[in-house]
Amino acid sequence: GENVEQHPSTLSVQEGDSAVIKCTYSDSASNYFPWYKQELGKRPQLIIDIRSNVGEKKDQRIAVTLNKTAKHFSLHITETQPEDSAVYFCAASKSGGSYIPTFGRGTSLIVHP
Amino acid sequence: GAGVSQTPSNKVTEKGKYVELRCDPISGHTALYWYRQSLGQGPEFLIYFQGTGAADDSGLPNDRFFAVRPEGSVSTLKIQRTERGDSAVYLCASSFEGHTGELFFGEGSRLTVL
Repeated sequence: GENVEQHPSTLSVQEGDSAVIKCTYSDSASNYFPWYKQELGKRPQLIIDIRSNVGEKKDQRIAVTLNKTAKHFSLHITETQPEDSAVYFCAASKSGGSYIPTFGRGTSLIVHP
Repeated sequence: GAGVSQTPSNKVTEKGKYVELRCDPISGHTALYWYRQSLGQGPEFLIYFQGTGAADDSGLPNDRFFAVRPEGSVSTLKIQRTERGDSAVYLCASSFEGHTGELFFGEGSRLTVL
């Protein structure tokens, strides 16, 4: 089955700095890669996703890149703000049949004012 | 309601007891997932429903765990003879058709087995 590794487990930055979270996956058939944000005590919520037919996607201060050859993808947050503080999870899945995302272990992002 | 609803939000039980956790998905979502999240970990897949049937139950850890979705909407996760290691947050999520799309999660049911 799919295995998703996520690094770092904790990331501490100053407000205004950039943050990068990296994930690798094992199943070359995976073609959909979402990122979820989970604030303390809250539900995970999708913030951005990328499909395997593109290499990069941006949404305001958030971007995701995908390298299919190396089987890794990354989340980039620019101009971080204190409200970006949360746990971020990457996931990988493949279309067709049962679509079941496999999640990474999460990265706790702390943005200091 | 507009979102995925899970009850109870918190459940404390004694080792060996039986527990039921309920999930009410977003109306019209045919795909329903159960995940388990331990402290400091990512969501771990348990079971996936497409309509009324369990399309994939490969994540259930053992035969003490069982889930149903008899009418293709509400689902119940059932845990028999609970063990302390079952303590976790049980997350339910739903999506439209279950084909590479956003999962909408509930707030979770926090289970504590004493």
